[in-house]
Amino acid sequence: DAKTTQPTSMDCAEGRAANLPCNHSTISGNEYVYWYRQIHSQGPQYIIHGLKNNETNEMASLIITEDRKSSTLILPHATLRDTAVYYCIVSNAGGTSYGKLTFGQGTILTVHP
Amino acid sequence: NAGVTQTPKFQVLKTGQSMTLQCAQDMNHEYMSWYRQDPGMGLRLIHYSVGAGITDQGEVPNGYNVSRSTTEDFPLRLLSAAPSQTSVYFCASSYSWEAPTEAFFGQGTRLTVV
Repeated sequence: DAKTTQPTSMDCAEGRAANLPCNHSTISGNEYVYWYRQIHSQGPQYIIHGLKNNETNEMASLIITEDRKSSTLILPHATLRDTAVYYCIVSNAGGTSYGKLTFGQGTILTVHP
Repeated sequence: NAGVTQTPKFQVLKTGQSMTLQCAQDMNHEYMSWYRQDPGMGLRLIHYSVGAGITDQGEVPNGYNVSRSTTEDFPLRLLSAAPSQTSVYFCASSYSWEAPTEAFFGQGTRLTVV
């Protein structure tokens, strides 16, 4: 699986957009980008995933660069409840990854009032 | 739907004891897995299963056994507990390992080995 690089921590003001970057320069053509978050040591929660097109759901938007070497998770209107560790993961479903998710250190996002 | 249910939530073991961490899902998911998370670290894969009767090792399998006799259950057995196995254990399931689907995680079992 491709390795990912994320900033250790980020801050965001409540109500503003939170933009979390992720670098995955060694990503291969069949690998997807997934984002999960973990709040207060609870079980990780799925946010969104994508292959090469930008994706949006009720929680967030995922912007993947054209060369697929980096991506940005956007929380459009951050709330205090979005304070969590955010993990960017690259994995090839159906391939040698067998559904495995490799979690790095993630980005600690702190949303301030 | 209950989703992914892990029991117990907390456990204290003495070194050398054995125990089984239970994991059950009610979503008819094909793929199940176990992770451990040490303080300040990301999750690391212990074992996984792509279907009933099929299991394989992950990144850190030593000291753990698994079996998958039914689609719903995926227990994790600690054979002889060691202090190094003090960790938070998460079970996860997803619809398929062949398609890019979301994984659902349980709330974790916090294990302390003294």
